[in-house]
Amino acid sequence: DTGVSQDPRHKITKRGQNVTFRCDPISEHNRLYWYRQTLGQGPEFLTYFQNEAQLEKSRLLSDRFSAERPKGSFSTLEIQRTEQGDSAMYLCASSDSILYGYTFGSGTRLTVV
Amino acid sequence: DQQVKQNSPSLSVQEGRISILNCDYTNSMFDYFLWYKKYPAEGPTFLISISSIKDKNEDGRFTVFLNKSAKHLSLHIVPSQPGDSAVYFCAASRGYGKLTFGQGTILTVHP
Repeated sequence: DTGVSQDPRHKITKRGQNVTFRCDPISEHNRLYWYRQTLGQGPEFLTYFQNEAQLEKSRLLSDRFSAERPKGSFSTLEIQRTEQGDSAMYLCASSDSILYGYTFGSGTRLTVV
Repeated sequence: DQQVKQNSPSLSVQEGRISILNCDYTNSMFDYFLWYKKYPAEGPTFLISISSIKDKNEDGRFTVFLNKSAKHLSLHIVPSQPGDSAVYFCAASRGYGKLTFGQGTILTVHP
């Protein structure tokens, strides 16, 4: 297992289009997190799953955003009707213990033009 | 409401000297604190953590200090190396939940 994988690494889309990102966590990790990071800021929490259950969603996650983790394995984050303000780095992380930190993927950089 | 704050946007240190990165938090319910390092175009990498029952944790060149009464934590890197140059984020959580991150401090270690 080589860590947390995110696909694609980069995505350029036109305003109004829908986009979907995928995250493959470390296989034995039961928790999976989505964060968003903009330039000069720290990562902002979006949502997290324990196995297939979505336990918490941030107020940042408007109704245009939806995340799934079918069967408690990989996860997808979909953004509908993208806006320029959605341009950011979207980070996925997985963990099985707080003390050993969360392992982040390299992120998907979204640019909405 | 910024619950975790890193008030120094940047820090410059000479190779071999100590780097001290600071972080303040406002939520007294936080009980785990972590430091991450981030290089450009990569995700954050976990460095070290501390729980609220401790006031110090060491891992090699990295030591984290926690002052609960002041709601302050710091990361000491001794000795600093040019490869330590990166953005450092502190983060906090309440139990085994989401992490709340600070804005980050850019550390530059000069040879």
